[in-house]
Parts: sequence; structure tokens; C-alpha cells
Amino acid sequence: AQKITQTQPGMFVQEKEAVTLDCTYDTSDPSYGLFWYKQPSSGEMIFLIYQGSYDQQNATEGRYSLNFQKARKSANLVISASQLGDSAMYFCAMRAPNDYKLSFGAGTTVTVRA
Amino acid sequence: GAVVSQHPSWVICKSGTSVKIECRSLDFQATTMFWYRQFPKQSLMLMATSNEGSKATYEQGVEKDKFLINHASLTLSTLTVTSAHPEDSSFYICSARDAGLSQETQYFGPGTRLLVL
Repeated sequence: AQKITQTQPGMFVQEKEAVTLDCTYDTSDPSYGLFWYKQPSSGEMIFLIYQGSYDQQNATEGRYSLNFQKARKSANLVISASQLGDSAMYFCAMRAPNDYKLSFGAGTTVTVRA
Repeated sequence: GAVVSQHPSWVICKSGTSVKIECRSLDFQATTMFWYRQFPKQSLMLMATSNEGSKATYEQGVEKDKFLINHASLTLSTLTVTSAHPEDSSFYICSARDAGLSQETQYFGPGTRLLVL
């Protein structure tokens, strides 16, 4: 069984500052994929970044980077230079190796202050 | 990028009626689509996996006779909430996997908000 844990229900960040969203996971499978999605108030799920369990380097996509610490089973998302439009709910998710189903964490609400 | 649409985006219905929600992949073929349910301020919970040309696979605790899923073509999956009740009010969102690209490519639709009165 897989489990995704996001322990921060909500966070405030000042505009232009960086913010780190925590995500830990639990799986016995050696092969898995980790995702981060952004969900604004409109409800759409926006893909941000992906990290494969065998990837040697941490994934980066623009202002988003994933701090992947495999031994600690953590996949924290770092958003640099926060913008007001970054205010949203952020979900960490994991894909099992044998299918494409995603298991989601509880989510973290980020509010960017001007 | 790839686009997944859902229709309707909003639906209000009376208790006891059935509601059909469509999920379409607009510019790619999706052999597999997923249906999720999300209550306010909560996470997405997978309801079922919809496979083109075969029966859907439901997650534990999801009533298959209550939530009928049909995946008749490579671009369309439908979720029918039968005999809807107020507790079925929720945000339903689908995702589709592009069979032609990396297995990690999965796109979400914009979601459907269902309110059962």
C-alpha cells in the first residue's frame, strides 16, 4: 500500500520569497513516480513537476524544484520567487509501478501575501 | 499541451435523478482514464479506472452500480451518478493518460461540480 503525507495544511509566504512544501511517502516498491500538482480555486489540476524514483538528479521546472531525498522518502516542492498567482492548493502524488493510478496527499494551501 | 475537457462544468439536480458527466481527450487517444472525487478542502480520492473497451475497475468502497462508467472510445469516458442523493454532491474530476507519450503523462479535466438538492 502507498501513502502520501503532507503535514502542512496551510502556509503564508511573502511575495518574491521562496517556500518549501513538505511531502513524505511510504512505499515498498522500488519503482515509483512522484508528482506535484497545483489546484487554484477554479478547481483545475495543473501539473507542476515529476520525479522518478530512479532519477539521479532533482527535477526542476522553471520556478519549481523538487528536493528528492530517497532515503528519507521525501519529495519536497520548492517554489522560488513566489508570485500572487501561486496562491492555491498544492498536492503531492505518487504513482504505483504497475499501474498509472495516483495517490494524493491531503494538500497544502499556499497564500502569497503582497 | 494536451487538453482534457469535461461536460458539464456545473450541474444541479433533484434527488433521485441520474447525472451523466463526460470526460473527453481532445487531441490525443486515452486508453485509460481515471475518475476522482473531491470534497471541499479535501484531497482527490480515486473512484475508478476507466479502460477503453473493457469494464471499469472500481476502488474499494465505491459502488459500481451507483457510479456507472463507460469508456466507449479512445477519447471519451462517461461517469453516470445514478439516483443521486445530496451526499453525492461533490467535485468530480477526470484524468486521461496519453497512450502515445511517456507513461508519466497524465492530464486532468477542469472538473464538474455536482449539487444534488
